[in-house]
Amino acid sequence: SQQGEEDPQALSIQEGENATMNCSYKTSINNLQWYRQNSGRGLVHLILIRSNEREKHSGRLRVTLDTSKKSSSLLITASRAADTASYFCATDRLTTSGTYKYIFGTGTRLKVLA
Amino acid sequence: NAGVTQTPKFRVLKTGQSMTLLCAQDMNHEYMYWYRQDPGMGLRLIHYSVGEGTTAKGEVPDGYNVSRLKKQNFLLGLESAAPSQTSVYFCASSYMRKLKTALLAVQPQHFGDGTRLSIL
Repeated sequence: SQQGEEDPQALSIQEGENATMNCSYKTSINNLQWYRQNSGRGLVHLILIRSNEREKHSGRLRVTLDTSKKSSSLLITASRAADTASYFCATDRLTTSGTYKYIFGTGTRLKVLA
Repeated sequence: NAGVTQTPKFRVLKTGQSMTLLCAQDMNHEYMYWYRQDPGMGLRLIHYSVGEGTTAKGEVPDGYNVSRLKKQNFLLGLESAAPSQTSVYFCASSYMRKLKTALLAVQPQHFGDGTRLSIL
């Protein structure tokens, strides 16, 4: 299966509620990133957390990383209708040839109801 | 500042036809990537480039070729299109920040808005 599996696959919440998405991965990583994709558009970077970090904040976003469990979570607080999108985690690791490779998960589709 | 621009935005091909997807970035990024996105499968890396004149295979390279003749451009070619290549194709770019230890620090990728390709 793919490195980077998001959970849940789909999430529907009311505006103002918090949304939590999880990402699990299989191999050791250097960094983990979260991206957002609006319908019909490309991915937009939200936040990057390095393997030696445990938590990071950016506005209404909070990301945690647990390397012992090989998992990460993205929390969006006080959600808005504009947060409706798909959210992807992406892990990167250093290959034996010395380059970095990204692996994206399958995404969580978030719908925020007004 | 345009960022990453992909052309064309939509294309319909017949099986066996060839075409080239163009990606251009104006951020002077070293790294460029081509992905395909299929329902339920997330993004899969086709090919990538770590600099002008260099290319490397990703996760699903078969049936595709790439070229990076200029730093700002990364071309994806389909020599003989097959229905299995119907997908949305995304180009991305990033730079790598060099640390004092000479290691590379991964930076975020910047994506174009995709090319929707249908092969009949």
